[in-house]
Amino acid sequence: DAGVIQSPRHEVTEMGQEVTLRCKPISGHNSLFWYRQTMMRGLELLIYFNNNVPIDDSGMPEDRFSAKMPNASFSTLKIQPSEPRDSAVYFCASGNKAKQFFGPGTRLTVL
Amino acid sequence: DQQVKQNSPSLSVQEGRISILNCDYTNSMFDYFLWYKKYPAEGPTFLISISSIKDKNEDGRFTVFLNKSAKHLSLHIVPSQPGDSAVYFCAASPGGGADGLTFGKGTHLIIQP
Repeated sequence: DAGVIQSPRHEVTEMGQEVTLRCKPISGHNSLFWYRQTMMRGLELLIYFNNNVPIDDSGMPEDRFSAKMPNASFSTLKIQPSEPRDSAVYFCASGNKAKQFFGPGTRLTVL
Repeated sequence: DQQVKQNSPSLSVQEGRISILNCDYTNSMFDYFLWYKKYPAEGPTFLISISSIKDKNEDGRFTVFLNKSAKHLSLHIVPSQPGDSAVYFCAASPGGGADGLTFGKGTHLIIQP
């Protein structure tokens, strides 16, 4: 079975550029989560969707961050404009409160 | 304010012995607790979870114990194997219909041959 798929795996961009991260959840999972991992803050929830509807976006750091889930098999996390402090590993996960499966992550570096 | 705490940044255990990883939490509304294992440059791998209405859950070499009165949980790995060397994260789900996880900072487990 295919797990959670994320692309790209690595992204290097310059400050001010738009960045789009992509995620395909496990088929049949109704909830999709975006997390970010940094040295300072560890793993933290950014936003999650249930049945394609955003439920909790309180972890989204600023208006520069936005997320969409146009259908059950695809989600995007966009940062516009990007800043060096956005450099982190971004994980997508799908599942539920008792079991969430994570993708391999996207390592973002903003120069 | 950290709601999920893993106070040991690292733990070294001899191969074949028991590894015990600890986690404390402050929010009594958490209703599920999960453990993940993470290798460098990979996503966290789900290991085992426990509902707040239970005090023990077992899956193969992994057992999780929950002590609600102490707001403490632990993950036991028996016997420890070299492939268990990784960072282990404790996570909690807030309940009340919310499913996003709150993570601890992790414990680096090193299995010595």
